[in-house]
Amino acid sequence: DAKTTQPTSMDCAEGRAANLPCNHSTISGNEYVYWYRQIHSQGPQYIIHGLKNNETNEMASLIITEDRKSSTLILPHATLRDTAVYYCILGNNAGNMLTFGGGTRLMVKP
Amino acid sequence: KAGVTQTPRYLIKTRGQQVTLSCSPISGHRSVSWYQQTPGQGLQFLFEYFSETQRNKGNFPGRFSGRQFSNSRSEMNVSTLELGDSALYLCASTLDGHLTDTQYFGPGTRLTVL
Repeated sequence: DAKTTQPTSMDCAEGRAANLPCNHSTISGNEYVYWYRQIHSQGPQYIIHGLKNNETNEMASLIITEDRKSSTLILPHATLRDTAVYYCILGNNAGNMLTFGGGTRLMVKP
Repeated sequence: KAGVTQTPRYLIKTRGQQVTLSCSPISGHRSVSWYQQTPGQGLQFLFEYFSETQRNKGNFPGRFSGRQFSNSRSEMNVSTLELGDSALYLCASTLDGHLTDTQYFGPGTRLTVL
């Protein structure tokens, strides 16, 4: 069963913020929300993760709703190199197994 | 620090053959996970090894197996290859295999079964 739901694709203008939503209404109390991205022909790349507080690092910000049923990944100033498939994943509480859904194909356009 | 390396990068086999893929994790990392990526099924978890023991396993048939050595390097084996096994096989390493550990992925091995 899919545990996360993401839009199939999104477009973003270069230099603008890209906001990628993810629904995870069945998230359990000890599951983390992870974001990875995969650029064509490369392995997935870690972006950010969080439990319930908003997080920020050099790549992106992660906003998690108070009820933890959804989150948004924000790339503050998207560049053409950010074109990739972005995966929202819940960390499996039986270990560190990641279950990838379909992801969102983000196309950054000039 | 060197990243996760996988060998070979590309492989062509025929149905019925077997194949062994290798993964060297980041130095100091003790957990290695394997994933299969296909256009139709996306990225699916195969199994995870920690300290030479398989700790988690996905829903794949017994033809898919793996092992981990004392230096944390891992191998994945697929026996009696089928056309549907054509995929990109990715391995990822983490420090201790904890839930909050970041997974670092290798570039993958692209297997084509003819």
